[in-house]
Amino acid sequence: DSGVTQTPKHLITATGQRVTLRCSPRSGDLSVYWYQQSLDQGLQFLIQYYNGEERAKGNILERFSAQQFPDLHSELNLSSLELGDSALYFCASSQDQSPPIQYFGAGTRLSVL
Amino acid sequence: AQSVTQPDIHITVSEGASLELRCNYSYGATPYLFWYVQSPGQGLQLLLKYFSGDTLVQGIKGFEAEFKRSQSSFNLRKPSVHWSDAAEYFCAVAPIQGAQKLVFGQGTRLTINP
Repeated sequence: DSGVTQTPKHLITATGQRVTLRCSPRSGDLSVYWYQQSLDQGLQFLIQYYNGEERAKGNILERFSAQQFPDLHSELNLSSLELGDSALYFCASSQDQSPPIQYFGAGTRLSVL
Repeated sequence: AQSVTQPDIHITVSEGASLELRCNYSYGATPYLFWYVQSPGQGLQLLLKYFSGDTLVQGIKGFEAEFKRSQSSFNLRKPSVHWSDAAEYFCAVAPIQGAQKLVFGQGTRLTINP
């Protein structure tokens, strides 16, 4: 158990809908990262938050957004869903250290039908 | 652009045999290097990491990896595999400076024959 909790484990929804994925980082970790794992793109970095502020952005679509709350949990919002958004979404967290080591949650599997 | 190449998409070895998974990276400077393992239905578990110093690093579950700067490689090895090692293995890099995003290879799926 990495200590990173993601909910829900599975999500099935329809095209055009909006969903929210939740991540609770390990105790004491200030950074949260979101990654998408799909068959065609592999594992891709989406976005990083550090102590409530956006720190780095990757290949995140404009339809996707994230935030980190004062209690350090994070949410990834996916809207206007398309079939191609079906993927496994991972959250990772790390301490404020250099170099940081990222610990991953079990992921949320999103199926868009 | 940074990239990580895992040349072998799928490898099959017999239980008890040795294993080597290849990883090459393309980067402006030597990055931080990682190997993660993903078991079916599971998240990514860190096997080992290289930041600096001794180029042979030991990890969990009996795995080790060797960093070779001249070859831009960070190959993962295990002397004797167990059936429980069947999983997908990902090599990843992160820059020493700047955003700490991980760049992953495409993964190598390991199958163990009994």
